Amino acid sequence: KNEVEQSPQNLTAQEGEFITINCSYSVGISALHWLQQHPGGGIVSLFMLSSGKKKHGRLIATINIQEKHSSLHITASHPRDSAVYICAVRFSHDMRFGAGTRLTVKP
Amino acid sequence: EAGVVQSPRYKIIEKKQPVAFWCNPISGHNTLYWYLQNLGQGPELLIRYENEEAVDDSQLPKDRFSAERLKGVDSTLKIQPAELGDSAVYLCASSLGSAEAFFGQGTRLTVV
Repeated sequence: KNEVEQSPQNLTAQEGEFITINCSYSVGISALHWLQQHPGGGIVSLFMLSSGKKKHGRLIATINIQEKHSSLHITASHPRDSAVYICAVRFSHDMRFGAGTRLTVKP
Repeated sequence: EAGVVQSPRYKIIEKKQPVAFWCNPISGHNTLYWYLQNLGQGPELLIRYENEEAVDDSQLPKDRFSAERLKGVDSTLKIQPAELGDSAVYLCASSLGSAEAFFGQGTRLTVV
């Protein structure tokens, strides 16, 4: 069983919809990252969080340490949000990655 | 300031040929990671450096893969000889200790 599980694997939405991507993990962590990867391959870090909630523009990330669960929300989704979103957990110097959620937002 | 810089962005080689990837981390970042990402999967660690020391290379296939970070800054990852199954994206990341990691654009390798 993968230490980091993401759902859904694929997600298609209409422009303007509210998006939620979920991440569950099975190890004790020091921090959790939400990453965005566009088709070219490069990865951009969206959030790093160890508790509570963070907001940046239309993106919101939450984490529940007790339940070992995090969510990434996108409000008023736009076609430019189409990308793969990856959850990664950090413990000590190690990082473990989920398989990613491929989001497609249609106009 | 430039982020993590990788080159080349794309590489196509024939099987059994050698290939090398280069990574320049963010200035001051002592920790450098090389990851392998297969299509539809998350990145998997190949090797982690603390300065010039490889502190975790347990997942590096040492029969054909090698890496170096001679001066504790730039790093190269080499495959010799390449196999068809090595086709993937090779990602480099850097961090200051265990703080947030920053990723490069990756090198997409295609072995034909």
